[in-house]
Formats: sequence, C-alpha cells, structure tokens
Amino acid sequence: NAGVTQTPKFQVLKTGQSMTLQCAQDMNHEYMSWYRQDPGMGLRLIHYSVGAGITDQGEVPNGYNVSRSTTEDFPLRLLSAAPSQTSVYFCASSYSPQGVNMNTEAFFGQGTRLTVV
Amino acid sequence: AQSVTQLDSHVSVSEGTPVLLRCNYSSSYSPSLFWYVQHPNKGLQLLLKYTSAATLVKGINGFEAEFKKSETSFHLTKPSAHMSDAAEYFCVVSDPYTGRRALTFGSGTRLQVQP
Repeated sequence: NAGVTQTPKFQVLKTGQSMTLQCAQDMNHEYMSWYRQDPGMGLRLIHYSVGAGITDQGEVPNGYNVSRSTTEDFPLRLLSAAPSQTSVYFCASSYSPQGVNMNTEAFFGQGTRLTVV
Repeated sequence: AQSVTQLDSHVSVSEGTPVLLRCNYSSSYSPSLFWYVQHPNKGLQLLLKYTSAATLVKGINGFEAEFKKSETSFHLTKPSAHMSDAAEYFCVVSDPYTGRRALTFGSGTRLQVQP
C-alpha cells in the first residue's frame, strides 16, 4: 500500500527553468492538494482538486499550474522557476471531495525538496 | 475565515518530563482540529483529531489533546517525553464550509527532548 507517492525527492533548478513535481495516490481519493512548507510558516495551500477535471487555486498559486486528468495523479508544474520557490513541497489526498473533516484525514507524501539557484 | 496560532515556536523538555504544546484556533463554524507530527526530513503523520465525540482526544504514542471551546484552544500534551518525540508539531484546522476545503496550518512548534 503505497499511499501518496511524490517524485522526485530532491531537485535543483536554475532560475527560469520549468519542471513538474509528480504526485500519485492509490487510495481512490477524490480530494488532492499541494502545499509548500517554508520555515516558520507552516504549510500553505498552493492548488487543490476535488476530482478529475476540477482544480482551483489555494492561498499561494502564483507561478504554479496544476491539472487533474485522472483520479490518481495530480502534478504540479513550475512554469519559470524563481529563487522564491525554493521550498519543500507536499502533496496530500483525502477521501472526501469535501476536503478534510473530522471523519476523514489527509494523507501526505514524503515531500519534494526544491532548490532554485 | 479560519486561523491557527501555535503559541511557542520552540519547546525544550527533559526526557521523562511532561510536554505541553499550545494551540489556539479561530473558525467561523464548528472546526475539525488535528495535530500532525513531522520528524526530520520526513512527511507528516496524523497524531490525533478532534471528532466532537469527546473533548479529550487520545492519539498515538501517548499524546492527548483537549478541546476547549470557551478558550478556543486545542493544546497537545504528553505525560512523559521520550527522545523519539523530538520533532516538529503542527496544529491544524479544517473548515470544509469555506471555498477551499483545505487545511490551515499553524506555524509549527519544534520540540526538543534533552537526555
């Protein structure tokens, strides 16, 4: 039972490069989301999806794109990397399309540590 | 709007002594509340969640949290710290009735356990 799988685990990019962070879950969860973690700021929501074909912006969406063509996959694209995007990125999924509540929980991947130089 | 305030960015205790990590929340509706733990270079693991069945919630590894609506608090406690408890702890609130259906994280409390 893999749960939520993120690849790669580490990545170094040059300013202006683009890349895609992969996220896959095998739990048939409807709700998936991307967060970034920065020191002293907890995790902040970038984008989320309540099902295949449906995505929406979170708290800090600028510079990132997402798509959801299947229930299992939710890739995060950096269009033109900037040093401000240096962070640890977490993908999370939850069974309920309503998100997370006391009857569900969010399952997190192991994270992708991205450095933009 | 929902928000979470973790009152201490760092807490240091000696092994075998009690742990208290403080959390206050703000939510427009009845919130769902969680504590997650993150060990160094690892993902996030659910410690416990408030389900409204009881105000005192028991979690894994001997941790507990008490929901106090009048104080809008959800403090995390453990009677006796172990070296393996050293990690970062996040208090989290979820308000499914907002548009984003997302989790709002506190800024985290780093727990150090001294031998």
